[in-house]
Amino acid sequence: GQNIDQPTEMTATEGAIVQINCTYQTSGFNGLFWYQQHAGEAPTFLSYNVLDGLEEKGRFSSFLSRSKGYSYLLLKELQMKDSASYLCASMDSNYQLIWGAGTKLIIKP
Amino acid sequence: ETGVTQTPRHLVMGMTNKKSLKCEQHLGHNAMYWYKQSAKKPLELMFVYSLEERVENNSVPSRFSPECPNSSHLFLHLHTLQPEDSALYLCASSQTQEITGNQPQHFGDGTRLSIL
Repeated sequence: GQNIDQPTEMTATEGAIVQINCTYQTSGFNGLFWYQQHAGEAPTFLSYNVLDGLEEKGRFSSFLSRSKGYSYLLLKELQMKDSASYLCASMDSNYQLIWGAGTKLIIKP
Repeated sequence: ETGVTQTPRHLVMGMTNKKSLKCEQHLGHNAMYWYKQSAKKPLELMFVYSLEERVENNSVPSRFSPECPNSSHLFLHLHTLQPEDSALYLCASSQTQEITGNQPQHFGDGTRLSIL
């Protein structure tokens, strides 16, 4: 079956770095997405990886290893506004997104 | 502002009521989606429309009935719902069904539905 695993909740300190991991098993692979969702708001697109390696976008970076079925989202210089849920989704061979349950990130001062 | 607007933001209804959720996108996209989001569970894809035609129905109970009158509007008609249908219902759109990093899905803020 198709499956996405990511931690349920993580806590980090303002100004620090946090890495949110995601492992996936899908029928075929057409890329991996990360979304950010603040409570009561829409998920918003953060990043997309389809090739192995690291993609950097300001304070956020996303990494992919297709051979390991593994990705992570790295957040640097954490700010209080980064408190949110982070959703990992893998796209299968039919271009259907398979979603994880999300990781709730709590930032403490 | 994501370009996808959902109304109402909150809805409380009894099991015998009939109501509709509305979604409108201002992005010129050709594909629209309904998702169900329950606490601590993955997003569940319910329906997909491409160029106003339904292309996916993921074994959703008939008490949920989608309607796509044009490429900018999507409705979800609700009737005789059950308590387990209480959830956040998200609408999304994308340029085409073949989602990429340059053309990802854009989501609305959702409708928080509570069934009494």
